[in-house]
Amino acid sequence: KQEVTQIPAALSVPEGENLVLNCSFTDSAIYNLQWFRQDPGKGLTSLLLIQSSQREQTSGRLNASLDKSSGRSTLYIAASQPGDSATYLCAVKGGSYIPTFGRGTSLIVHP
Amino acid sequence: GAGVSQSPSNKVTEKGKDVELRCDPISGHTALYWYRQRLGQGLEFLIYFQGNSAPDKSGLPSDRFSAERTGESVSTLTIQRTQQEDSAVYLCASSSSGTDYTGELFFGEGSRLTVL
Repeated sequence: KQEVTQIPAALSVPEGENLVLNCSFTDSAIYNLQWFRQDPGKGLTSLLLIQSSQREQTSGRLNASLDKSSGRSTLYIAASQPGDSATYLCAVKGGSYIPTFGRGTSLIVHP
Repeated sequence: GAGVSQSPSNKVTEKGKDVELRCDPISGHTALYWYRQRLGQGLEFLIYFQGNSAPDKSGLPSDRFSAERTGESVSTLTIQRTQQEDSAVYLCASSSSGTDYTGELFFGEGSRLTVL
């Protein structure tokens, strides 16, 4: 059974810092990995999708990498802003076609 | 539609009543998922529909929970004889194909259920 772990569980940083959020998974036989953000009381917003054959994806200040063999992904946020404050979740899709989610990293960026 | 639509956004009910939650996926998306998120917890998989195939119901917590989907259209999640532990946000997601590794998952805003 796939297990997904996200570290740290919570993070509080001053504006402007570069951040790294970590996601690890136990079964490396995956199809893709997707990063989301969730604002309080809201649904999940897709940030980046990395296919199993890819090593990284970039969108604006966000960069996600994937090392399938070691079961790890990182989400890099450059020059963090207060508007980046949210919970960030990663989800891994494997052979069951059912994405498994981590518990998320709660990020606060203070001015 | 432009995105995944869920209704109602909020539902307050009394213990023992039945509730129905609706999900309207993105047009053309063959895969549809239901997840549950309890307060302060992660996402818990409930059920997965892929086109006209038999759904994967392996995540449903009890026989009080059921879901239907006709073809590639709207899905309804029904909870019978609600209990207080059913209080949660129920999230629906769709993708262009569940069995295609390229399928990006898109979520609705969720239905917040409170059982008194």
